[in-house]
Amino acid sequence: GQNIDQPTEMTATEGAIVQINCTYQTSGFNGLFWYQQHAGEAPTFLSYNVLDGLEEKGRFSSFLSRSKGYSYLLLKELQMKDSASYLCAVSDSNYQLIWGAGTKLIIKP
Amino acid sequence: GAVVSQHPSRVICKSGTSVKIECRSLDFQATTMFWYRQFPKQSLMLMATSNEGSKATYEQGVEKDKFLINHASLTLSTLTVTSAHPEDSSFYICSARDLDGRKISTDTQYFGPGTRLTVL
Repeated sequence: GQNIDQPTEMTATEGAIVQINCTYQTSGFNGLFWYQQHAGEAPTFLSYNVLDGLEEKGRFSSFLSRSKGYSYLLLKELQMKDSASYLCAVSDSNYQLIWGAGTKLIIKP
Repeated sequence: GAVVSQHPSRVICKSGTSVKIECRSLDFQATTMFWYRQFPKQSLMLMATSNEGSKATYEQGVEKDKFLINHASLTLSTLTVTSAHPEDSSFYICSARDLDGRKISTDTQYFGPGTRLTVL
């Protein structure tokens, strides 16, 4: 079966760095996405990785290792507004997105 | 770019009535739109995949006759919840996939702001 695993909840301090991991097992791979979802709102696109390596975009970076079926989202200089759920999703061989359950990130002052 | 709108943002209706939700891609064409449902503190659940000009593909367990989907154009898909009941109360979110790949990738889904449905 297809499976996306990510931690349910993480806590970090304002100004710090946090890494949210995602492991996946899917039938085929056509890219991995990270989305941010604030409570009561729809997800917003953060990043897309299809090749191995690190993609940096401001305070957010996303890493992919296809051989390990592993990705992480790195958030630097955490701000209170970063408190949200972070969703990992993989595009499978049919270009269908398989969603993780999301990681709720709590930022403390 | 890649803006998706959804209307209405919030709706309250009586049990037994039907509710229509519209999803529009404003600045790009989307041959494929997706409809999700999300219950409080739960992850997104894909309900159906909507392709322009053809019948929607429903996920297992989603009733086709209850959740009617129409994708009449490259920029508009509608979801009609027929004979709504309190258990249909949820957050309904649509997303659209950019057709021409000028965005990040042709796989990237851009989400509408969601519609919160409350059935009394």
